[in-house]
Amino acid sequence: DAEITQSPRHKITETGRQVTLACHQTWNHNNMFWYRQDLGHGLRLIHYSYGVQDTNKGEVSDGYSVSRSNTEDLPLTLESAASSQTSVYFCASSLTGTGPPGELFFGEGSRLTVL
Amino acid sequence: GNSVTQMEGPVTLSEEAFLTINCTYTATGYPSLFWYVQYPGEGLQLLLKATKADDKGSNKGFEATYRKETTSFHLEKGSVQVSDSAVYFCALSENAGNMLTFGGGTRLMVKP
Repeated sequence: DAEITQSPRHKITETGRQVTLACHQTWNHNNMFWYRQDLGHGLRLIHYSYGVQDTNKGEVSDGYSVSRSNTEDLPLTLESAASSQTSVYFCASSLTGTGPPGELFFGEGSRLTVL
Repeated sequence: GNSVTQMEGPVTLSEEAFLTINCTYTATGYPSLFWYVQYPGEGLQLLLKATKADDKGSNKGFEATYRKETTSFHLEKGSVQVSDSAVYFCALSENAGNMLTFGGGTRLMVKP
C-alpha cells in the first residue's frame, strides 16, 4: 500500500546541532508539506513544495530549510537547533486536482526535543 | 490572511452525549472547509469536508455544514462513543495545492 513515512519518530538533540527529519511518500503526490504542532497553536506550516525543485516558506519558516530533489522526499533541516524548536513535526502530501482542494495525507509525526 | 478559530478544550462528555465543537473562519475568498481528527499517537486524518456554501460533510456519524453567512463549520455528533476520544482540528484551504490553515485543535474526552 502507498504510504507516507517519517523518520526518526523520536529524537533528542542539543542546542546548536544540525538535525534532519526525513519524509518519504509513495503516492507520487506532487504537493508536500511540513507542519509543526504545539500546544495552543494547533498546526503551523513551516515549508511546502508543489513539485521537484520547488520550495516555499510557510508561516514559521525561520531556522528551517527543505529541498525537493525528487517526487518522493521532502527532508526538513534545522540548521542550528534551538529549544524553541522542540515540537512534534508532521509531514503531509497531496495531489493537485482540477477541482476544489482535496485531502492531505499525514505521516505519524516526529517528536523532536532540543536540550 | 486566513485564520481558523475553534473552541478550546478539553471537552469532556459521557458516552452517548451530544457533541458540538464550534469552528469559525476568516478567508479572503471561498475556501473549502475540513475537519481532521488525531487519535493518540497518530497523525491527522480527514474526517469530513465541504467545498461550498450550504454543503454538509458527514462521516462516522459526524456532521458539519458550511455556513457562509456566519463563516462557520461546527462539528456535531448525536451520540459520542469512548472511541471518539481524540483531538479535532478545523481547517480551510483556498488553493488547488491543498495548503491548509488549521485551528488550534479541540481535545475531546469521552467517559464510559
